[in-house]
Amino acid sequence: AQSVTQLDSQVPVFEEAPVELRCNYSSSVSVYLFWYVQYPNQGLQLLLKYLSGSTLVESINGFEAEFNKSQTSFHLRKPSVHISDTAEYFCAVTFSWGAQKLVFGQGTRLTINP
Amino acid sequence: GAVVSQHPSRVICKSGTSVKIECRSLDFQATTMFWYRQFPKQSLMLMATSNEGSKATYEQGVEKDKFLINHASLTLSTLTVTSAHPEDSSFYICSARADRAYEQYFGPGTRLTVT
Repeated sequence: AQSVTQLDSQVPVFEEAPVELRCNYSSSVSVYLFWYVQYPNQGLQLLLKYLSGSTLVESINGFEAEFNKSQTSFHLRKPSVHISDTAEYFCAVTFSWGAQKLVFGQGTRLTINP
Repeated sequence: GAVVSQHPSRVICKSGTSVKIECRSLDFQATTMFWYRQFPKQSLMLMATSNEGSKATYEQGVEKDKFLINHASLTLSTLTVTSAHPEDSSFYICSARADRAYEQYFGPGTRLTVT
């Protein structure tokens, strides 16, 4: 069965410090990978996605993630975080077959301290 | 682009009544829509998948007679919580996906409180 594991439930960092949010998946078939961000009492916003091509994908607000097939990982990174990045981050995968449902990780709470 | 709206954003209802939540894709046609439930400090739990013009497919453990889903058009899906009880209080989020796409776009969510 396919699954997604976010290894850290909470990550506290200081403003302007770098951060990495880890995501590993388990699947026997090809996957498509996503990172979503959720601000308090809001829905999820698509942050970035990997469908094919370059394994390094970037978002418009400075986040990037790299698909590593051999390590079955899709870690999210940002070189310098801001207070406004405080949110819940969800890693998710879907597959090219079937109903193409999203399988979510447990989420990582990123807290930026001044 | 890819905006999904939900209405209402918050609703409070009495136990035993029914509540309808609407999910709309505003700038694209959504052949598939999904309904999720989210408990505090937890991830999203998929309740059902609906394709336009077809019956919804419910996840195991979700009561189809309690959570009625209608996907009558390519831009609108509704979730009706029938005979609501306090344990149905939760944050309900919908998402929409265009034909031949893999990413889902999420609505802002609806906070349901049953008293």
